[in-house]
Amino acid sequence: EDQVTQSPEALRLQEGESSSLNCSYTVSGLRGLFWYRQDPGKGPEFLFTLYSAGEEKEKERLKATLTKKESFLHITAPKPEDSATYLCAVQATGGSYIPTFGRGTSLIVHP
Amino acid sequence: KAGVTQTPRYLIKTRGQQVTLSCSPISGHRSVSWYQQTPGQGLQFLFEYFSETQRNKGNFPGRFSGRQFSNSRSEMNVSTLELGDSALYLCASSLKVTANTWELFFGEGSRLTVL
Repeated sequence: EDQVTQSPEALRLQEGESSSLNCSYTVSGLRGLFWYRQDPGKGPEFLFTLYSAGEEKEKERLKATLTKKESFLHITAPKPEDSATYLCAVQATGGSYIPTFGRGTSLIVHP
Repeated sequence: KAGVTQTPRYLIKTRGQQVTLSCSPISGHRSVSWYQQTPGQGLQFLFEYFSETQRNKGNFPGRFSGRQFSNSRSEMNVSTLELGDSALYLCASSLKVTANTWELFFGEGSRLTVL
């Protein structure tokens, strides 16, 4: 069974304090790993797709990296507006294209 | 380009009633998925439709059903509502980006409260 585990569950940072969120996954094979940002009461907003180990993608203060067992979302010099829940999902080979989602990391950035 | 549109955004129902939620996918997307999100369970997959056919189904009781129309718009229905059905219901339309990968784009959700 495909599994996705995100850590930590919650993270509090001061503005400008860089950190990383972790997404560990167990799948038979990986089609793609996705990162989403979700604001309270809203739908998840697509951020990145990573396909293979060693791949990296960046968007503003966010950088996502991928290894064979985990992905990291690095947040550089975060601002209060980066506060949100960050969700990770994996799409596995074999069977359907339905992704398995992690429970998310709730990030709060204090000014 | 318009995103995924879900209606209504908020609704309140009582136990035993039924509810219908609507989703208009991004233009050109033929796959629509539905998810239930609660604080305790996270995002749980309900079902997926592609070209008017249910292609995948999650582990939800038969009270949860859906359909897709020829214009790719989708509806989901929950009958005989229970208190535990209170949740944010999310619709996602999907785009095939590689031979083996589909990217999901979510709507803002429909917040259902069952009293």
